[in-house]
Amino acid sequence: EVQVLESGGGLVQPGGSLRLSCGASGFTFSDHAMTWVRQVPGKGLEWVLSISSSGARTYYADSVKGRFTVSRDNSKNTLYLQMNSLRAEDTAVYHCAKTMGNYGLYYFDYWGQGTLVIVSS
Amino acid sequence: DIQMTQSPSSLSASVGDRVTITCRASQDISNYLAWYQQKPGKVPKLLIYSASTLQSGVPSRFSGSGSGTDFTLTISSLQPEDVATYYCQKYNGAPPTFGPGTKVDI
Repeated sequence: EVQVLESGGGLVQPGGSLRLSCGASGFTFSDHAMTWVRQVPGKGLEWVLSISSSGARTYYADSVKGRFTVSRDNSKNTLYLQMNSLRAEDTAVYHCAKTMGNYGLYYFDYWGQGTLVIVSS
Repeated sequence: DIQMTQSPSSLSASVGDRVTITCRASQDISNYLAWYQQKPGKVPKLLIYSASTLQSGVPSRFSGSGSGTDFTLTISSLQPEDVATYYCQKYNGAPPTFGPGTKVDI
């Protein structure tokens, strides 16, 4: 059974940093790109960033470019999201998603429950 | 960037009704279109990819069609468990943009 499980969310002050993790199981992690999608409670879905299966290629939304960094450790089946210079508008539930496709042509077949990030003073 | 729109933004229908949701891209995206269902309090679930290919395990009452800029998701006979918000998503390149969603009620 495919599972992705996020952790690391919490309350952080504006300008602060947070690191999210996503552990994966039930599929060959190193064969798949992975993605972070966020959702403000009660609102729609916003793609944040994706990373290729090897980690060689990354894709970022303009809203987080230069502030967020994605990485992965295929030996640990784990995806990471380093979030710096956080803003109030980054407040959302962050979902990790197993990703289908290649070269940025991505859609998402399994989603984690998400971890809530609140940016507030 | 390519923008995605959906219509209607919400609808209410009866059990057994045929329901159609429309998704429109601001530019040609070929068939690089996915549909997701998000039930209240749950995570999104992939229903359809490549505009018309049903994801494994998804009931056959769901179908997708279209190419280029205009796409539809059809529920042939609405069931109570289909109450959800439905999102389209284009994936012909970064950014993989989602539509704003269509909320379906009974």
